Amino acid sequence: QEQLVQSGAEVKKPGASVKVSCKASGYPFTSYDINWVRQAPGQGLEWMGWVTPNSGNTAYAQKFRGRVTVTRNTPTSTAYMELTSLRSEDTAVYYCARRRYSSNAFDLWGQGTLVTVSS
Amino acid sequence: DIQMTQSPSALSASVGDRVTITCRTSQNIINYLNWYQQHPGKAPKLLIYAASSLQSGVPSRFNGSGSGTDFTLTITSLQPEDFATYYCQESYSTLRITFGQGTRLEIK
Repeated sequence: QEQLVQSGAEVKKPGASVKVSCKASGYPFTSYDINWVRQAPGQGLEWMGWVTPNSGNTAYAQKFRGRVTVTRNTPTSTAYMELTSLRSEDTAVYYCARRRYSSNAFDLWGQGTLVTVSS
Repeated sequence: DIQMTQSPSALSASVGDRVTITCRTSQNIINYLNWYQQHPGKAPKLLIYAASSLQSGVPSRFNGSGSGTDFTLTITSLQPEDFATYYCQESYSTLRITFGQGTRLEIK
């Protein structure tokens, strides 16, 4: 069945970087953009950016520009989100999500990856 | 950027009740409005896309309506599994995607 499976939880120190993976299966990886959304503890959803698997094109929310990089490896059907210069406020669950082109809705989500930033 | 106002932030209701959640945007987004449900510790789940289209597998008691700047999600005959947090999301521009603040639906 269609699914997105993310890498496991991470604990990082302030100033470090983290790279989260999102492996797609059950559908043509190059047919949909992969978006990244995060959720801080007890907070709402925050969109970070996306990658188009076919072309590698990307777009990022202004808040994260310069700190986030979204990439993909088409042969392995895997997307990646790297966030640098981590601070405590980056502690959150990070989700990847597939975007349906016709409506721009996110119709398939990964299970989430908890990233904890602590000294 | 498009501003979104989702209300109420929390809502108490009983099984069998009908509830309505609203989402207002600062600009006309036509029908680029989606609704998600999230249970604690779980990923969000798409319920409604393009303002009023029911995602496959979602029960018909979920109904979305609206266009332009005003949108609503209505749940008729609440079931125990419907108690969760609901988010609206505007997707008019893929360069800036915004979620509403969320509505926590609790059992009365």
